[in-house]
Amino acid sequence: KQEVTQIPAALSVPEGENLVLNCSFTDSAIYNLQWFRQDPGKGLTSLLLIQSSQREQTSGRLNASLDKSSGRSTLYIAASQPGDSATYLCAVNRGNRLAFGKGNQVVVIP
Amino acid sequence: GAVVSQHPSWVICKSGTSVKIECRSLDFQATTMFWYRQFPKQSLMLMATSNEGSKATYEQGVEKDKFLINHASLTLSTLTVTSAHPEDSSFYICSARSLAGAIGNEQFFGPGTRLTVL
Repeated sequence: KQEVTQIPAALSVPEGENLVLNCSFTDSAIYNLQWFRQDPGKGLTSLLLIQSSQREQTSGRLNASLDKSSGRSTLYIAASQPGDSATYLCAVNRGNRLAFGKGNQVVVIP
Repeated sequence: GAVVSQHPSWVICKSGTSVKIECRSLDFQATTMFWYRQFPKQSLMLMATSNEGSKATYEQGVEKDKFLINHASLTLSTLTVTSAHPEDSSFYICSARSLAGAIGNEQFFGPGTRLTVL
């Protein structure tokens, strides 16, 4: 069974600081890994999807890396803003199912 | 593109009643749809996978007679919570994978439905 762990569970940073969110998974046989953003009481917004053959993906201030062999992914958010406050979920795709972590709850302090 | 909608966005019902939640792919055809449940401060847990025209596959521990899933067309799947009880109160989210999508391809998520059972 695929286990997905996200560390830290929660963090607060001052505005402007870079964010580093970690995701680890136990089974490296994956199709892809995806990072989502979830605001309170809302659905999921897809941020980045990294295929298993890729090492990283970038979109604006967001960069996600993938090290499949060690079972790790990291989401970097540069120059954080208060609007980045949300829960960030990592999900690993093993074919017909996604396995989610519990999320990194982020608060960016103005 | 790749928009998935859910209806209703929230529902409050009395214990013992049944509630139906719809999941629609608006601009693509989805052969496979997935239903997830999320409790507060917890991760999304897959409940079942449904393929158009066939019976849903339920995850271990999910009661198929309580959570009825119908995937009658390539753009619509429904989840009916039968005889709902307070412990069924949760956030239900669906996702869809396109007709042209390979098994490992991306799922597109709906906005979720908040169910509260009194």
